[in-house]
Amino acid sequence: DSGVTQTPKHLITATGQRVTLRCSPRSGDLSVYWYQQSLDQGLQFLIQYYNGEERAKGNILERFSAQQFPDLHSELNLSSLELGDSALYFCASSVVDSTGELFFGEGSRLTVL
Amino acid sequence: GQQVMQIPQYQHVQEGEDFTTYCNSSTTLSNIQWYKQRPGGHPVFLIQLVKSGEVKKQKRLTFQFGEAKKNSSLHITATQTTDVGTYFCAGRGTTDSWGKLQFGAGTQVVVTP
Repeated sequence: DSGVTQTPKHLITATGQRVTLRCSPRSGDLSVYWYQQSLDQGLQFLIQYYNGEERAKGNILERFSAQQFPDLHSELNLSSLELGDSALYFCASSVVDSTGELFFGEGSRLTVL
Repeated sequence: GQQVMQIPQYQHVQEGEDFTTYCNSSTTLSNIQWYKQRPGGHPVFLIQLVKSGEVKKQKRLTFQFGEAKKNSSLHITATQTTDVGTYFCAGRGTTDSWGKLQFGAGTQVVVTP
């Protein structure tokens, strides 16, 4: 158990819909990262927050947005969903920023039909 | 931008044999991390290398960071069935914003008894 909690574990929805994925980092971790894992595409970095502020952005689509709240939990919002958005979305947390190991949650598997 | 590439994509190994997986970056890295993801699981941190030419060992696993800090390797000796999974390297470029940990596509390891 990494200490990172992600909900929901599985989500099935239709194209055009909007979903919210939630992540609670390990106790004491200030950084939260979001990654997308599609089949055969490895882990794609989406975005990182540190203590409530956006710190780094990867290849995150404009239809996607995220935020980190004062209690340090984070949400990833995916809107106008397309079939290609079906993937495993991982949240990870770390104590600080650029040198620490990442602790990954178990992921939220999104299926868009 | 920075790209992290891993070879081979797939590795079929007979139990007891050795193998090596390689990670190459298009730019100089400040550090490199290795993660293992078991089938159906989430990535789990294995190790971090920071210094040029650094070599670290964890039982049957040997990790190396290249002298130019652009490549890394993971060598596993006497492969066991418990080594099954996908091994990812992840690196931060020296000029990247400090959150942006880029993962390679991974080497999927299958072990035959």
